[in-house]
Parts: sequence; C-alpha cells; structure tokens
Amino acid sequence: GDSVTQMEGPVTLSEEAFLTINCTYTATGYPSLFWYVQYPGEGLQLLLKATKADDKGSNKGFEATYRKETTSFHLEKGSVQVSDSAVYFCAFSNNDYKLSFGAGTTVTVRA
Amino acid sequence: DTEVTQTPKHLVMGMTNKKSLKCEQHMGHRAMYWYKQKAKKPPELMFVYSYEKLSINESVPSRFSPECPNSSLLNLHLHALQPEDSALYLCASGRGNGITNEKLFFGSGTQLSVL
Repeated sequence: GDSVTQMEGPVTLSEEAFLTINCTYTATGYPSLFWYVQYPGEGLQLLLKATKADDKGSNKGFEATYRKETTSFHLEKGSVQVSDSAVYFCAFSNNDYKLSFGAGTTVTVRA
Repeated sequence: DTEVTQTPKHLVMGMTNKKSLKCEQHMGHRAMYWYKQKAKKPPELMFVYSYEKLSINESVPSRFSPECPNSSLLNLHLHALQPEDSALYLCASGRGNGITNEKLFFGSGTQLSVL
C-alpha cells in the first residue's frame, strides 16, 4: 500500500550544522507530500508541502523538493538552530482528507 | 484566531469511566479530524468530519464515539477504554477544501491515561 519511509533518528547536531532528513514514498498516482514538525508538548505544525513533481516547498530556512524520479522528498536546512530541536514527520496524501505520516525523526540541536 | 483548542490537556480515567474530549476552532473551518498518537510514534487518523458529517472512520473501536455538534466543535466520547488506549489525542481542522489544497491546524492534544 501507499506509505512514506523516513530515516530513523535520533539525529543530534551542533548549531549551524547542515541538516538533512531523508523521506521516500511509495504510492499509486501522484500524492501530495508534506513535512510536519512537532515541538515538545505541542501538536503538529505544517512546515512545508509540495503537490506535484519538481515543486519545492520552503519555510523557515527548510526546503524539500518533490522528486518523482527518485520518489523522494528530503528535508534540508543549511544552518540549524537550537530552536529547530523537534520531531519531524514526512507525510503524504492521496486522498482529500487522509494524511498519513512517516515514523518521525527526532532532531536535537546542541549549542 | 488561528488556534485549535483542546480540553482537557491531561485526563486520567478508569476502564469503567465515561469521559469526553473536546476540540474547538473559530477559523471557520469545515473539516475536523481526530488523531491518536502513541509515544514516539506518528499520529494515526481516527475520524474525519466534513461539513459536520462523518466522512472517514478508520475502523476505530466503538468505545470511541465522535460527535460534531456544530461547525466549531468536535467531541470524542470515551467509554470502557483499555489501558492500551492511553495516548495523546490530537484534534485538527482545515478549511474543508481537501488536504492537498490547504493547511491542517493541530491542537496541542489531550494526554490520556487509562488505568
């Protein structure tokens, strides 16, 4: 069935380091792809999204490009801050109301 | 007001209790969702209401009973729960135009413990 697979964590980085979290998808058709972030003790927030091949989503210095040829939607940020410490979820939707999440990657940024 | 408010934030209940989780939004959204999230796991969809009608039920046990009394409110009634139902219950809302065309707003959740 349709699914997303994202890299296992946890990931620990120093401030100003480069972050990449891999996400690949398996789907029939052309799903919409998302990255959501969950800060400690909070609900999820949409970080960015892309709805078709070659679209690039970007927000708060994070970027991800919808790559149909590699079925990927990797999240990147060039210089992370302590405040970026959170759990990051790759997600997809092949249906107007159903959003399915990957396993989540815990990122810890140290000062 | 761009918030989804969930109450209570924490709930402890016995297996014979009946309780309700509440969710409220005043953004004019017409789609509302319940998700269940176990510790260190991704959220799992339970129910979707679209224009106050139940449109998706992900084969959730009947001890969970959703209710959407109006376009701003979403309840989840709990009865005879099991300890394995302990989790964070998240509510979300969207404009109702479909996930691919809109952003979902999540509440902070209710942390439920079933003893």
